[in-house]
Amino acid sequence: GIQVEQSPPDLILQEGANSTLRCNFSDSVNNLQWFHQNPWGQLINLFYIPSGTKQNGRLSATTVATERYSLLYISSSQTTDSGVYFCAVEGGNKLTFGTGTQLKVEL
Amino acid sequence: DAGITQSPRYKITETGRQVTLMCHQTWSHSYMFWYRQDLGHGLRLIYYSAAADITDKGEVPDGYVVSRSKTENFPLTLESATRSQTSVYFCASSESKVTTNEKLFFGSGTQLSVL
Repeated sequence: GIQVEQSPPDLILQEGANSTLRCNFSDSVNNLQWFHQNPWGQLINLFYIPSGTKQNGRLSATTVATERYSLLYISSSQTTDSGVYFCAVEGGNKLTFGTGTQLKVEL
Repeated sequence: DAGITQSPRYKITETGRQVTLMCHQTWSHSYMFWYRQDLGHGLRLIYYSAAADITDKGEVPDGYVVSRSKTENFPLTLESATRSQTSVYFCASSESKVTTNEKLFFGSGTQLSVL
């Protein structure tokens, strides 16, 4: 099946810093989504982005489908951005998740 | 707008017991999914359903049973719980196939411990 790799696995930032999270996938896909899991376990859909670039406030995402990767940018990070960020790609009519990037934003 | 709800939020059981986790959605989404989340594995798909009375296996279906008699409900049953099934279980739904431009929405999860 399709393989999804995320990097870095862990990241610690000072509040106000910017960061880039990466998702590599092994095959062409029709669907790619980014999720944030907050410290209480809730999974929130951030972006549906199989290609191109989207922005939502301080967050933006870019997917280069031909090169099989996606990037999630977090600007001016806040403590509320802490949690785990998952990339998920479609393969065989279901989403396959990466193992996530654990982000901690400190004051 | 309740969205997608799971119950119970926490469950402790013993090996060999039958356990059912409930999932209910109010959006009339066609597709529903069960995932389990374990350290080092991310989220792995257990079963999914395209519509009432249509279910299919995911990546890790062994030891689990699902049913979908109504569009809004998708219960997950562990017929004889094992310690390896200790995990956090998430139910999710989407309006149509994930191969289209549909987002996936998650419930709050059920933390299951099998002693």
